[in-house]
Amino acid sequence: QVQLQESGPGLVKPSQTLSLTCTVSGGSISSGSYYWSWIRQPAGKGLEWIGRIYTSGSTNYNPSLKSRVTISVDTSKNQFSLKLSSVTAADTAVYYCARGVAVKGNYYYYYMDVWGKGTTVTVSS
Amino acid sequence: SYVLTQPPSVSVAPGQTARITCGGNNIGSKSVHWYQQKPGQAPVLVVYDDSDRPSGIPERFSGSNSGNTATLTISRVEAGDEADYYCQVWDSSSDPHVVFGGGTKLTVL
Repeated sequence: QVQLQESGPGLVKPSQTLSLTCTVSGGSISSGSYYWSWIRQPAGKGLEWIGRIYTSGSTNYNPSLKSRVTISVDTSKNQFSLKLSSVTAADTAVYYCARGVAVKGNYYYYYMDVWGKGTTVTVSS
Repeated sequence: SYVLTQPPSVSVAPGQTARITCGGNNIGSKSVHWYQQKPGQAPVLVVYDDSDRPSGIPERFSGSNSGNTATLTISRVEAGDEADYYCQVWDSSSDPHVVFGGGTKLTVL
């Protein structure tokens, strides 16, 4: 079955850019009509959706983070990536990648059915 | 932006039924999904599209959605069900995005 694994630096300095990669195994990132999402969770707090990408390159972002976020996909490597610029201590969190399912019926809905284990990123000098 | 409201905590004795609510303006017109998250682990999808269960999720987990409230119901609660539960919808606004509820801590007494 499909598995996702996050990777990237565990420590980022304030004002710099956080960069993470999610590697998809057990299936092609291009197969099926899936989206690929990033979600984060500060310690002791709830989930915050960051954004998603389709393999066509189409993206949607959380309006509260949109100005600082870029999500990209590399189908040749079966990976998608997150870049978050101008980070502060408030961006310290566990970052998850997830596969998303979009359904267009009477109305549109979207949920995430496969998640990576998460990676901890600390923003500190 | 669309807001989902969950109670911070729910407590239930083993074998009883737990009901976790998720409030939102006319949420009955949206599709609601639920995730279970145990300490130190990634979230797991337990209900999607209001009431469907992914493969491998026990029938004890069920969902409903009407009016301004969606509900996750866990029947015959077990100690292993103790976790945080999050509801989620898609906000189809001019800037569409995912919205999560604040989460509910389920304690099995």
